[in-house]
Amino acid sequence: DQQVKQNSPSLSVQEGRISILNCDYTNSMFDYFLWYKKYPAEGPTFLISISSIKDKNEDGRFTVFLNKSAKHLSLHIVPSQPGDSAVYFCAAREGGYNKLIFGAGTRLAVHP
Amino acid sequence: NAGVTQTPKFRVLKTGQSMTLLCAQDMNHEYMYWYRQDPGMGLRLIHYSVGEGTTAKGEVPDGYNVSRLKKQNFLLGLESAAPSQTSVYFCASTPADYRETQYFGPGTRLLVL
Repeated sequence: DQQVKQNSPSLSVQEGRISILNCDYTNSMFDYFLWYKKYPAEGPTFLISISSIKDKNEDGRFTVFLNKSAKHLSLHIVPSQPGDSAVYFCAAREGGYNKLIFGAGTRLAVHP
Repeated sequence: NAGVTQTPKFRVLKTGQSMTLLCAQDMNHEYMYWYRQDPGMGLRLIHYSVGEGTTAKGEVPDGYNVSRLKKQNFLLGLESAAPSQTSVYFCASTPADYRETQYFGPGTRLLVL
């Protein structure tokens, strides 16, 4: 049973508009949530994170929102740019040793 | 700093053959991890290590063995490859600090025929 779910396999957005990527989780013991970005033939790279005691974290064009009661987090990209086209993975930290559980990913395409 | 490197980048194996994937990091990180990525399933943890000489099982350890004889290297072995092990393998490392994220290598694409 997947503990971290990204239910949208793909998302298409026009350049300049907002991209919203969603993630749901089932384990209320997760203490940290992260978003990674992955380009083809490369490894994932860290984008932004949020602690379970926060409800929002912002870094430039990227904002992550956490709704603990709904066990839901979202990544907002404003404004979206063509270079943002990639696969985005949501991840949650489980227990010790910084172990992560990943969602299946959402492929974002930003078109002019 | 090269960060996290993986060798080889791509490999084709026949069923039953063995091979070792090498991960190296030059950031002096304590923790290292091996993942596999399959379509529609995200990254799944195979094995991990929290220090030199220590290893532990992750979510999908069957069919794999690992060793960490040196702090900077983490080896993933397939003793008898199966088609189900066709995947992209990623190595990652992180300092032993709960605030730190994982840093990933570029991946190894493995095809088992």
